[in-house]
Amino acid sequence: AQKITQTQPGMFVQEKEAVTLDCTYDTSDPSYGLFWYKQPSSGEMIFLIYQGSYDQQNATEGRYSLNFQKARKSANLVISASQLGDSAMYFCAMREGGITGTASKLTFGTGTRLQVTL
Amino acid sequence: NAGVTQTPKFQVLKTGQSMTLQCAQDMNHEYMSWYRQDPGMGLRLIHYSVGAGITDQGEVPNGYNVSRSTTEDFPLRLLSAAPSQTSVYFCATNRGGLSNGYTFGSGTRLTVV
Repeated sequence: AQKITQTQPGMFVQEKEAVTLDCTYDTSDPSYGLFWYKQPSSGEMIFLIYQGSYDQQNATEGRYSLNFQKARKSANLVISASQLGDSAMYFCAMREGGITGTASKLTFGTGTRLQVTL
Repeated sequence: NAGVTQTPKFQVLKTGQSMTLQCAQDMNHEYMSWYRQDPGMGLRLIHYSVGAGITDQGEVPNGYNVSRSTTEDFPLRLLSAAPSQTSVYFCATNRGGLSNGYTFGSGTRLTVV
């Protein structure tokens, strides 16, 4: 079974609008962390935001926020006021707490390509 | 402060050749790992290490070998390159702890012909 599912291969959003990128996950470990990474066309992986399974509040980092719904096992990324520079591939990833070694593994979804238009 | 340095950035190999992808970090992170990125498949874990002298297999380890003799270096060896190993390879480091983010190298684009 897929541990991380991103069902939107591609998304379009107009500049200055908000957009939500979906991510659902599957784990039986009560301790886990969820990450979002941005990959622009240049290829580097840029860390955006983190949410821990025990965090009471949704994570926010500037224009990025994470809509964390633990019971539904979803961790959607919300980008507010989209900019042209937000056009990129976005990956959701999970790290399970578990035993040492397991905690060093990051499992990725297949990504969503976001295109911001004028 | 270089962070995570991967070399080379680009490489073309012939089928059957061997080579080593280098990864070096100056952040004193215990955890290091190698991922490959293929179109439509996200990043998949090849091998990882939780410290010097300790390595383990990830999701797609076949055809690759690793060792970790120092904290700083984590080379990935392709023993006999195959066209299926054409991919972009990323090295990532982490200092441990569930909430700590991973730092990625800039990637190596490998083509096997």
